[in-house]
Amino acid sequence: QVQLVQSGAEVKKPGASVKVSCEASRDTFRDYYIHWVRQAPGQGLEWMGWISPNSGDTNYAQNFQGRVTMTREMSVRTFYMELTWLKSDDTAVYYCARETYDILTGRQAGYYFYGMDVWGQGTTVIVSS
Amino acid sequence: DIQMTQSPSTLSASVGDRVTITCRASQSISRWLAWYQQKPGKAPKLLIYKASSLESGVPLRFSGSGSGTEFTLTISSLQPDDFATYYCQQYKSYSRTFGQGTKVEIK
Repeated sequence: QVQLVQSGAEVKKPGASVKVSCEASRDTFRDYYIHWVRQAPGQGLEWMGWISPNSGDTNYAQNFQGRVTMTREMSVRTFYMELTWLKSDDTAVYYCARETYDILTGRQAGYYFYGMDVWGQGTTVIVSS
Repeated sequence: DIQMTQSPSTLSASVGDRVTITCRASQSISRWLAWYQQKPGKAPKLLIYKASSLESGVPLRFSGSGSGTEFTLTISSLQPDDFATYYCQQYKSYSRTFGQGTKVEIK
């Protein structure tokens, strides 16, 4: 089973940037996305966006447009999420998660997704002056 | 964006109880819905995808149903390990949205 291992905790000042990494322990021999999800203290889960490992295509949540960049370096099976112009309410645990999918053809053409089945352990980011 | 609303926000129950959590979508999402369980300090765990498909290794007491805009997660007989927060999540659109969560507490 693939594991996702994230980088360590970060403390940043307001206005700074943070870059969190997420390394896959082995190849996933299926099509998949890597999502980034965050959770502020005592709050629920907030989806930030996804990246396609194959193409590098990305899709960001509207709340983060212009501030988030997701990239990948497939030679080392590592994914990155960079968030700029940090504010105190960006203090949260940031998770990466894998979502596999199949591409269907014929009458049912489209994507069949299987949910986010593998998660990283989370990276705490604290934004404080 | 598709909004997801869960109810209740908190649920108090006893071991052995049958528990039902509801999730409503702001527009039809067909059956593109997943359920997750999260315990304090831990990453979420996938329970169900495609509204009713049980993820491998998840106990059979968990089940999901629904389509369109209304969905339910049912735990047939609550066990001590099930006290946690549960989230629904839609994946109809290229974007994803989570519900606000339902905390299942010990009564």
